[in-house]
Amino acid sequence: DAGITQSPRHKVTETGTPVTLRCHQTENHRYMYWYRQDPGHGLRLIHYSYGVKDTDKGEVSDGYSVSRSKTEDFLLTLESATSSQTSVYFCAIGGALLVNEQFFGPGTRLTVL
Amino acid sequence: GQQVMQIPQYQHVQEGEDFTTYCNSSTTLSNIQWYKQRPGGHPVFLIQLVKSGEVKKQKRLTFQFGEAKKNSSLHITATQTTDVGTYFCAGPQGGSEKLVFGKGTKLTVNP
Repeated sequence: DAGITQSPRHKVTETGTPVTLRCHQTENHRYMYWYRQDPGHGLRLIHYSYGVKDTDKGEVSDGYSVSRSKTEDFLLTLESATSSQTSVYFCAIGGALLVNEQFFGPGTRLTVL
Repeated sequence: GQQVMQIPQYQHVQEGEDFTTYCNSSTTLSNIQWYKQRPGGHPVFLIQLVKSGEVKKQKRLTFQFGEAKKNSSLHITATQTTDVGTYFCAGPQGGSEKLVFGKGTKLTVNP
């Protein structure tokens, strides 16, 4: 498996609290992605990054922000968590020249009560 | 926006039966990728198809890319219990490094 870790792996929080999820890679990949996975919806892109301090929105970015101050770290922040953000969050890296496959981290299961 | 549709959503088979999942894109794709996610796990890259009409095999798995590069299929011959999981197809959004994923086909195999 590619060197991707996510922390925390599980989190339970309350509505209205801020939450930050961390993705850390040791592969020096340029591109990093945050997805959420919900039953019946598959994998949906929240935000992605194409370099340090370079980020862009995905299809479900409302309520989320990201930051990437170092190549190896990509942070996802829920400024004020809502129950609709209860989900499994996956980080991925990728963007190689010939094959743009993505490598996924183990996921973070977030529950917002 | 670009959509990638997958059918069926669920498939239950007896061990030894064949399985096929189909993927259709609303736009022409430069390539299509397939991923497998085991229960409780994370998606894992299986293969990428690039050429029109391309067929690739990985042991009992056969992947096809349509002539028009808008559809693809994954066929598993003689399923085994180790094939259990959700299979996703994904295509790049425009010329970007973003992928649009289908909703997946969840395969269960009865021993």
